[in-house]
Amino acid sequence: ETGVTQSPTHLIKTRGQQVTLRCSSQSGHNTVSWYQQALGQGPQFIFQYYREEENGRGNFPPRFSGLQFPNYSSELNVNALELDDSALYLCASSQAVKTGELFFGEGSRLTVL
Amino acid sequence: TQLLEQSPQFLSIQEGENLTVYCNSSSVFSSLQWYRQEPGEGPVLLVTVVTGGEVKKLKRLTFQFGDARKDSSLHITAAQPGDTGLYLCAGEKGGSSNTGKLIFGQGTTLQVKP
Repeated sequence: ETGVTQSPTHLIKTRGQQVTLRCSSQSGHNTVSWYQQALGQGPQFIFQYYREEENGRGNFPPRFSGLQFPNYSSELNVNALELDDSALYLCASSQAVKTGELFFGEGSRLTVL
Repeated sequence: TQLLEQSPQFLSIQEGENLTVYCNSSSVFSSLQWYRQEPGEGPVLLVTVVTGGEVKKLKRLTFQFGDARKDSSLHITAAQPGDTGLYLCAGEKGGSSNTGKLIFGQGTTLQVKP
């Protein structure tokens, strides 16, 4: 069974740039959620994708967008990067019919200078 | 406003000591989960509690869900250096079977010294 994998693991961008983060869900999982974790904080829910459509969104501006592909992998895109976007971005997959079990990837550490 | 408040935020203890971490809210949750996160890694699920008053044990870890489903605690007996990490509680609201919309506490950083 393949776990959740994310890429890249680390990246550095400058203010105003755009970034794309990628996530492959665990085998058999069709739901992907993205979280932002600032240093010293708990993760904050960004949005969730189920069957290639957004299925819930947290309190994040529209410059945070996403995609889910037919193979259930997902992308998180952030436009017009700001310094406060520096964080660990976590992807988590789950089975839609099974509650309470999220499997997280190791995250993508984004630094915005 | 933090919907889930964890306390303490930092805890440094000696090997063999006991400790309790609290997770409190004014909101009701349909379920509550506890995760452990190590540096450079994603959170790993330890337990899910869904029934008010429920108690679950995982080796030296005991998890309790409050009767009103607004709070939870994690108790570790005879802590080991391998227990070191960030402990996160996370609540799920609503009845949707699609999970992922979790509300996390700010975390408790535990350091267990040999």
